[in-house]
Amino acid sequence: NAGVTQTPKFQVLKTGQSMTLQCAQDMNHEYMSWYRQDPGMGLRLIHYSVGAGITDQGEVPNGYNVSRSTTEDFPLRLLSAAPSQTSVYFCASSDNWGDLNTEAFFGQGTRLTVV
Amino acid sequence: ILNVEQSPQSLHVQEGDSTNFTCSFPSSNFYALHWYRWETAKSPEALFVMTLNGDEKKKGRISATLNTKEGYSYLYIKGSQPEDSATYLCAFMGSNTGKLIFGQGTTLQVKP
Repeated sequence: NAGVTQTPKFQVLKTGQSMTLQCAQDMNHEYMSWYRQDPGMGLRLIHYSVGAGITDQGEVPNGYNVSRSTTEDFPLRLLSAAPSQTSVYFCASSDNWGDLNTEAFFGQGTRLTVV
Repeated sequence: ILNVEQSPQSLHVQEGDSTNFTCSFPSSNFYALHWYRWETAKSPEALFVMTLNGDEKKKGRISATLNTKEGYSYLYIKGSQPEDSATYLCAFMGSNTGKLIFGQGTTLQVKP
């Protein structure tokens, strides 16, 4: 089982460049989320989706776009990269939150540096 | 903005010590509280998902309790081992949301 797959693992961008971080899961999970991890700040929610065609903002959405055209994929787009977006990005997925014992499964992370 | 707070931020203990951490969260609109273990250079992995006030869960030497009325959860590690060294994250989900909001984590270092 692949689980949650993120690509790329590492990326260096110049300020102003755009790019898409890919996230795919093969568990038929309805819920997918993007988080960023910065020192001393845990995981902060960027955007999330409760199903194909449905997305919503999290705690720190500015500068990022998402879409969810299929159940499997949830790409995160940086429209114009800024040094403040240097971070480690994690994608997570989970089965229906209606099942109260559902946990989140995480990808391996993407380390992004904006110079 | 939901406030999920964890304390302490970091903890250094000797092998064999027992330890505990705290997670505080909003006491209204509670749906679930998660605990995750996050080792360096790996991804977070779930320890517990807790949903009912008074819940107690256990996995080996690690256990957790939940008080939804006052908005806190404790994670206990009995007889800490060096392999327990990791960051422990709690995450809160409110009712009628799809959002899992994390605390900033407690980093545990267990010295042999």
